[in-house]
Amino acid sequence: ETGVTQSPTHLIKTRGQQVTLRCSSQSGHNTVSWYQQALGQGPQFIFQYYREEENGRGNFPPRFSGLQFPNYSSELNVNALELDDSALYLCASRKDHTTGELFFGEGSRLTVL
Amino acid sequence: QQPVQSPQAVILREGEDAVINCSSSKALYSVHWYRQKHGEAPVFLMILLKGGEQKGHDKISASFNEKKQQSSLYLTASQLSYSGTYFCGTEKGGGSNYKLTFGKGTLLTVNP
Repeated sequence: ETGVTQSPTHLIKTRGQQVTLRCSSQSGHNTVSWYQQALGQGPQFIFQYYREEENGRGNFPPRFSGLQFPNYSSELNVNALELDDSALYLCASRKDHTTGELFFGEGSRLTVL
Repeated sequence: QQPVQSPQAVILREGEDAVINCSSSKALYSVHWYRQKHGEAPVFLMILLKGGEQKGHDKISASFNEKKQQSSLYLTASQLSYSGTYFCGTEKGGGSNYKLTFGKGTLLTVNP
C-alpha cells in the first residue's frame, strides 16, 4: 500500500453529468498529479498540483479541473461528461514536484453511459 | 511527446531474461519505470536521473543513455511475480515540465 487513497472506487454517470473524484496524498507529500488511463493504455497526464497551485497540465480540455487543499489532498472535477471520459482515474503523490517517485492510489473507475 | 516502448509484449518462461526499451525524441531529465498488475495501481520500480548511474535492485536493473534519450529495463532470471505491464515515464524537467509522460506499456507474461 502506498498511503494514497482515492474515492469513490467505482462510479457510473450519464453523458452530460458532472463528477468529482477525491484523493488523499501520502503523508509528507506536497505534490499531487492526476492521470487518466483508458483500457490497455498507459496513464495520460491530466494536471499536477504543487502547494495548492496548478503546476503543469496535459492535453485535456478545460472541463477537466482540479483543486488542491491546504492538507495537500486533491479533487478532480469533470464537467459535461462524454462517453470517452470512461476510464480509470489515477491520483499520484510525490514528496516534491521536481523529484522522486510517484505513489499511486488504486484509482477511480468511471463509466459514462 | 509520448515515449515509445518496445516490445509491446513479451512472453517468458520462468528463469529467462528480458529487456524492455523506452525512447524519447526530447531531451530528458529523468526516466521512471513502473509495473502495473491487472486491476491494480502502478508500482514504482526505479528512477534514473540525467547524469546518474545505472540503477538496480535484486534482479531488475535499468540504464539511461542520455545521448540517445533511451532507457532500458533489464529483468534477469524472471519470476512468476514479474508478470504485468511495464511502463516507462519520462520527464523533461524545468518549470512546469516536472510531469511524467508514460509510454503505452509492455505486457510481460512469465509462465512456469
